[in-house]
Amino acid sequence: EAAVTQSPRSKVAVTGGKVTLSCHQTNNHDYMYWYRQDTGHGLRLIHYSYVADSTEKGDIPDGYKASRPSQENFSLILELASLSQTAVYFCASSVRGHYEQYFGPGTRLTVL
Amino acid sequence: GDQVEQSPSALSLHEGTGSALRCNFTTTMRAVQWFQQNSRGSLINLFYLASGTKENGRLKSTFNSKESYSTLHIRDAQLEDSGTYFCAAEAGQGGSAKLIFGEGTKLTVSS
Repeated sequence: EAAVTQSPRSKVAVTGGKVTLSCHQTNNHDYMYWYRQDTGHGLRLIHYSYVADSTEKGDIPDGYKASRPSQENFSLILELASLSQTAVYFCASSVRGHYEQYFGPGTRLTVL
Repeated sequence: GDQVEQSPSALSLHEGTGSALRCNFTTTMRAVQWFQQNSRGSLINLFYLASGTKENGRLKSTFNSKESYSTLHIRDAQLEDSGTYFCAAEAGQGGSAKLIFGEGTKLTVSS
């Protein structure tokens, strides 16, 4: 089974500050994804990547950047955190596109 | 845009009973995944289907891409089945893929 880890598991940030969420997978998967989940709702795709040094926009990319420095690592960057970005963020990976996605444990971000 | 409509939004079962959850899709989807989100918030993979039916223990799922729906059947419900169940449909052309999630079904199993 795929192993996807995220750090930190929770974070409190101040409005206007910079936040970096990290994701690491150990299963040699090509695709990695960042989703956010607002309380009581399903997940929505922010960014994804299918190869190192390249990222693609998902459905809600505004206010977020992504970085894929290696096959194993995928970061989500909030340059200027806002209250509306308070959510739980999930990273996922899949061996290729159109294959089962495996999710990390999530990072709970609170922006004050 | 592409949407996934999940029903019911909430469901209460007594131990030993069963029911079905359903997802309808507004467009043709390539595949569907079902997840259980537990009390810690973790997403547990239940099924990935590109077509047909899969069964795992007390759970069974069907994906009908032609009629744009998927179902998850739970039988002999146990307390540990409580949680929120999400379906997520796979959309996207070519090599890219994204999951479009439903809003979830909150399942409560009581003794």
